[in-house]
Amino acid sequence: DIVMTQSPDSLAVSLGERATINCKSSQNILNSANNKNYLAWYQQRPGQPPKLLIYWASTRETGVPDRFSGRGSGTDFSLTISSLQAEDVALYYCQQYYTTPSFGPGTKVDIK
Amino acid sequence: EVQLVESGGGLVRPGGSLRLSCSASGFTFSSFSMHWVRQAPGKGLEYVSAITHDGGTTYYADSVKGRFTISRDNSRNTLYLQMSSLRPEDTAMYYCVKDVYGGNWYYFEYWGQGTLVTVSS
Repeated sequence: DIVMTQSPDSLAVSLGERATINCKSSQNILNSANNKNYLAWYQQRPGQPPKLLIYWASTRETGVPDRFSGRGSGTDFSLTISSLQAEDVALYYCQQYYTTPSFGPGTKVDIK
Repeated sequence: EVQLVESGGGLVRPGGSLRLSCSASGFTFSSFSMHWVRQAPGKGLEYVSAITHDGGTTYYADSVKGRFTISRDNSRNTLYLQMSSLRPEDTAMYYCVKDVYGGNWYYFEYWGQGTLVTVSS
């Protein structure tokens, strides 16, 4: 099984500043046959179900603001919020789907 | 508009059983794999079970294998999770989740609001 880790556990960023969350997989999740990284990011606001933000490591879901961006390949990935807004306060999870899906433990983003 | 509406949660004693249902609308249910993901109070997401579009392949996390059964009725656009021999550690919000594809497991395009299962004496 592929184990996902995230860092930091939580971070507090001022409004308008950049927030970056890291995600690491215990195995390579880049499929060399199609050159796709099998990684997604989800946002879970308080009291809400998770919402898909990014898939294939860097493709933004329809309707997701362009301040959210994903990057990385192989085993190391990141999600960046370029200019934090109040509505971005949430838990963020990475998930691999290269094998049976598994989630990272989550990163809590708050406003400083 | 895609809608996933879970039902069937509640309070059950250890060793008891529950059947969760997820009523789907707004998409061709029979074309997509479906999943159950749970979240214990204050904890992260745990992948529980999955079923391909035609019910031909299923998956269970080790933590529920032999106790939970996933199924679907494509004629009723409904996903099920039969849970038995419930334990306190099964206490969680259970989310019904739509996959982006119908065969193997990929990423999760839509999530229901969840149904709360509490296992306690």
